[in-house]
Order: sequence, then C-alpha cells, then structure tokens
Amino acid sequence: EVQLVQSGAEVKKPGATVKISCKVSGYTFTDYYMHWVQQAPGKGLEWMGLVDPEDGETIYAEKFQGRVTITADTSTDTAYMELSSLRSEDTAVYYCATVGILGGRSFDYWGQGTLVTVSS
Amino acid sequence: QSALTQPASVSGSPGQSITISCTGTSSDVGGYNYVSWYQQHPGKAPKLMIYEVSNRPSGVSNRFSGSKSGNTASLTISGLQAEDEADYYCSSYTSSSTLHYVFGTGTKVTVL
Repeated sequence: EVQLVQSGAEVKKPGATVKISCKVSGYTFTDYYMHWVQQAPGKGLEWMGLVDPEDGETIYAEKFQGRVTITADTSTDTAYMELSSLRSEDTAVYYCATVGILGGRSFDYWGQGTLVTVSS
Repeated sequence: QSALTQPASVSGSPGQSITISCTGTSSDVGGYNYVSWYQQHPGKAPKLMIYEVSNRPSGVSNRFSGSKSGNTASLTISGLQAEDEADYYCSSYTSSSTLHYVFGTGTKVTVL
C-alpha cells in the first residue's frame, strides 16, 4: 500500500524558514517524481514544484522560485520542502503528492497535509 | 499562467446528474490528454477521481466520468449521493514556462 506521511503542523514567524518532510512507503521512491502543492485557507490548490528522487533534479513554479527548495533523501525514502522568507500569505496546508504511479500525469497519491501558520 | 476556470458551485438533488466544467487553453487542457479531477472533503487531502481525461482509478465509483472537448474538460457525477458533497478540482499538465501543472479554481458540489 502506497503511503505518504508528512511531518506535523508548524508555527513560524515572518521571515523564518520552514522545512516539511514527506516519508513514503509502498513503492520504489526513486521511480516517481514527488510534487508539492499549496492550499491557503479556503482557497484552491497551487502547484509549487517537484523533485526527481533519482537524481535530485528540481523544477519550481515561478511564483515560488527563489524561496522554495525541494529535496529527496533516498536513504530514508523521504522528500522535503523548505520555504524561506515566510510571510503571512504563506499560511497554508502543504501537500506532497506523487505523479504517475497509477499512470498518466495525475497526482495519484497524497500526503495528509501539513499546516504551516505564519504569525508574529 | 492563470488557474483553470471552474464554476464556483454546482448543486443537485440525490439521484440527479451534475456536470462540472473546467476551461483552460490550448497550452494546457486543449493541448494534452493529461486532465485529472480531484475530490476534497473538508480537512482532508484531495483524492484522485479521474486521470487522463476519462480514466477512473481502481475503487472510484463508475458514477464519476470525465470527458474533454477542445479547451474544456468536464466531470459528470451521475446518481448523486450525499457523500459526493465536496470540493472538486481539475488539473492539467501545461506547457507554460512558469509551471508544469495548473489546477482549476475549484467547485463546491452541494447535494440538496
């Protein structure tokens, strides 16, 4: 059974950095890209970027370029998303999600989400 | 790159059918058969309901079906049930230089 388990909720001050983890099981970590998606309170989903765990290559959405770093640790089958220079607008639930396990280019398995609250 | 356009809300009575539209451009919905649909209940992670325009993952009810015409994709829920009440999002791969995937604005489905 494919599972993505994310780290717990975080509260950060403006200007700080947050790093969220996503530990996977039930499939070969290096076979599929890991993506991250942001969902602000009461808002829709927004794609942030991806990492290829096989070689560490990343692609980021322009909106988050320069502030987001997505990495993968193949020794622990864990992906990470780090967001820096936090501001109030970054308060959101962040999801990791795989693409392609079920075929095609859809987000087929999701983590449970991690709430990040940015507040002074 | 803007989000794909969905109606804010759609409602129907139990047993009825409803359709949610998802309008994009030739750079995303119209250009690729990589449209997918997600169901999200409050406080929960999204769940894949349809992939590659019209394919259902194992375990998803056949009451859910997808289609596409030009730059608009659609999700139809037939035989509407109370548990179908949720938010629904479409998504598409995109050739945009600024991002690889784009989501829809989301549709709240209400079962009357």
